[in-house]
Amino acid sequence: AQSVTQLDSQVPVFEEAPVELRCNYSSSVSVYLFWYVQYPNQGLQLLLKYLSGSTLVKGINGFEAEFNKSQTSFHLRKPSVHISDTAEYFCAVSALTGANNLFFGTGTRLTVIP
Amino acid sequence: EAQVTQNPRYLITVTGKKLTVTCSQNMNHEYMSWYRQDPGLGLRQIYYSMNVEVTDKGDVPEGYKVSRKEKRNFPLILESPSPNQTSLYFCASSLRNRGTEAFFGQGTRLTVV
Repeated sequence: AQSVTQLDSQVPVFEEAPVELRCNYSSSVSVYLFWYVQYPNQGLQLLLKYLSGSTLVKGINGFEAEFNKSQTSFHLRKPSVHISDTAEYFCAVSALTGANNLFFGTGTRLTVIP
Repeated sequence: EAQVTQNPRYLITVTGKKLTVTCSQNMNHEYMSWYRQDPGLGLRQIYYSMNVEVTDKGDVPEGYKVSRKEKRNFPLILESPSPNQTSLYFCASSLRNRGTEAFFGQGTRLTVV
């Protein structure tokens, strides 16, 4: 079974400041890792994903994340946030074997303050 | 345009009155899934389908039914809704290959009174 922990339910940050959203996971099998973003009143869309290879992955809108196998973490970062980044961010995992199901964390609401 | 379409977007109903939330995708995806989103709980999977006529329970299937008679459609059925099913529901689809991107609908906000 897989589980995902997003320790920070809310993260306020000033515009143009850097931000890190934390994600830790637990799994008895190898997993793929994802970050999805949900803008107000919309569905989720993929920000980035880690399947294999380089542990630093870049996504849309200037976001990047680093996979750390020893710490079972996949933290999301952006060096300078914009007002338009205000949204809810979900970390998710899916197993390399079995059904292609996504297991989500509880989400982190990022609020960018002007 | 590639999309997942859910209807209705908003629904208020009474306890016990059967309802169906429709979901349709135009990307020829084999895999489809339903989630509910509740504050502080994130998204939890209700049911999923690997292909036509193949469905299976997710983490919170109680009180829900699904069917997959056609590849593009995956309706969610609440035979006897209860107030604890008040939630925001999302349908998603993807290719069956693991690690592929899931595409989500806009969501259906259901209130059961």
